[in-house]
Amino acid sequence: QLQLQESGSGLVKPSETLSLTCAVSGDSISSGGYSWSWIRQPPGKGLEWIGYIYLSGSTYYNPSLKSRVTISVDRSKNHFSLNLNSVTAADTAVYYCARSLVVTPAVNNWFDPWGQGTLVTVSS
Amino acid sequence: QSVLTQPPSVSGAPGQRVTISCTGSSSDIGAGYDVHWYQQLPGTAPKLLIYGDTNRPSGVPDRFSGSKSGTSASLAITGLQAEDEADYYCQSYDSSLGGHVLFGGGTKLTVI
Repeated sequence: QLQLQESGSGLVKPSETLSLTCAVSGDSISSGGYSWSWIRQPPGKGLEWIGYIYLSGSTYYNPSLKSRVTISVDRSKNHFSLNLNSVTAADTAVYYCARSLVVTPAVNNWFDPWGQGTLVTVSS
Repeated sequence: QSVLTQPPSVSGAPGQRVTISCTGSSSDIGAGYDVHWYQQLPGTAPKLLIYGDTNRPSGVPDRFSGSKSGTSASLAITGLQAEDEADYYCQSYDSSLGGHVLFGGGTKLTVI
């Protein structure tokens, strides 16, 4: 059974870079047929899609975050990562990683499963 | 950025039927993109409930069902149980601004 586990710094200073990793276990990230996503949820608020990456390296980002986001995959470590730069307090949220089965058309992807989430607080 | 509109809250008594609406526009649900639903129990990660408008993943009770018409979708829960108390989110795709995944604002279901 596939499991995803987020890890990274829980406290980031304003203007710095938020970096998180999602470790994949129970399957190889290289097995193909999936995209790998990041989604966040500010405290007490709803879900916001950040972006996803395909094994080919193609990435798709939320237009509202695109200028600050980078998602990458490390096949050798069986994990994928999120970097979000120039953070502010508005980036404080629980960050989730998730997998999507690539369907046709790909825009109809859904997210399953999800990691348990990790809280990142932006504060000096 | 456009959003999918959900009622902030709904409630129902055990055994009753409730529905949660998800209203979009011509660039998302109305354009024919699939709608998916997630259940988020307190303090936990979201869990897939319905995918592709009407499909239930293995293990999801048939008390949960999805439908879609025009620019809106709905999640119906029959035989309401106390453990159904959770937040529910719809998700689709928006073709505007180059295309992006879109979530609804979420609906808090209270079992009274």
